[in-house]
Amino acid sequence: DAGVTQSPTHLIKTRGQQVTLRCSPKSGHDTVSWYQQALGQGPQFIFQYYEEEERQRGNFPDRFSGHQFPNYSSELNVNALLLGDSALYLCASSLVDGNTIYFGEGSWLTVV
Amino acid sequence: EDQVTQSPEALRLQEGESSSLNCSYTVSGLRGLFWYRQDPGKGPEFLFTLYSAGEEKEKERLKATLTKKESFLHITAPKPEDSATYLCAVQAKTSYDKVIFGPGTSLSVIP
Repeated sequence: DAGVTQSPTHLIKTRGQQVTLRCSPKSGHDTVSWYQQALGQGPQFIFQYYEEEERQRGNFPDRFSGHQFPNYSSELNVNALLLGDSALYLCASSLVDGNTIYFGEGSWLTVV
Repeated sequence: EDQVTQSPEALRLQEGESSSLNCSYTVSGLRGLFWYRQDPGKGPEFLFTLYSAGEEKEKERLKATLTKKESFLHITAPKPEDSATYLCAVQAKTSYDKVIFGPGTSLSVIP
C-alpha cells in the first residue's frame, strides 16, 4: 500500500519564478492538505482540498494556490517566489473528517 | 486563538534514561491531539491520536497521555534510534480541516 508520495523531492528556483509541487494521497484517502515547514519549526497549514474544492486556508497569501484532481491527487503552486518561501513543503492525506493524517516525505524548495 | 507550545525545545538523554515531553494547547474545543515523530529531512510519521482527557495510548517505548490543557509523551528506557523531533498538533472541533502544530522537541539519545 503506497503512502503519500510527493514530487519533486528537491528543487532550486530563482526569486520571482513560479513552482508547482505534486502529491498523490495514500490509497483510499480523498482529502489532501498542504503544509509549509521552515527549518527548526513545526509545519504551518496552507490549505486543504476535498472534492476538488479548497475547504479551508491558513494565513498564506494568494501567491499560494492549489488544485485537486478527480483522482484525488493535488498540486501546490507558488507564484512570484520570495527568498522566504524556502522551506520543506509537506502534503498530508486523510479521509474527509478523518482523524488520522499521513504525511509524505516532502519537497524541499530553495529560492535563490 | 488556537495555539500549541512544546517543552523542552531540546532534550538530551542517556540510553535507558526515561523522561517526558510536554505539549500545552489552547483550542476552541478539542477534536483530536496528534503526536508525530520527524527524522531530519523526512516527513512527520504518525504516532498517536488522543481525543479526550484521561485517554492514554502506547506504542513500544512511547506512551501518550492527555489532560484538558496538556499532553505528555513519556519515553521509557529510550534507545539511540528514538532520537528525532517529536511534534504535537491539535485539531479543533470548529475548524477541523486545519491541524495546528507546535514547534517540536528535538530528542537526542546518547549511547
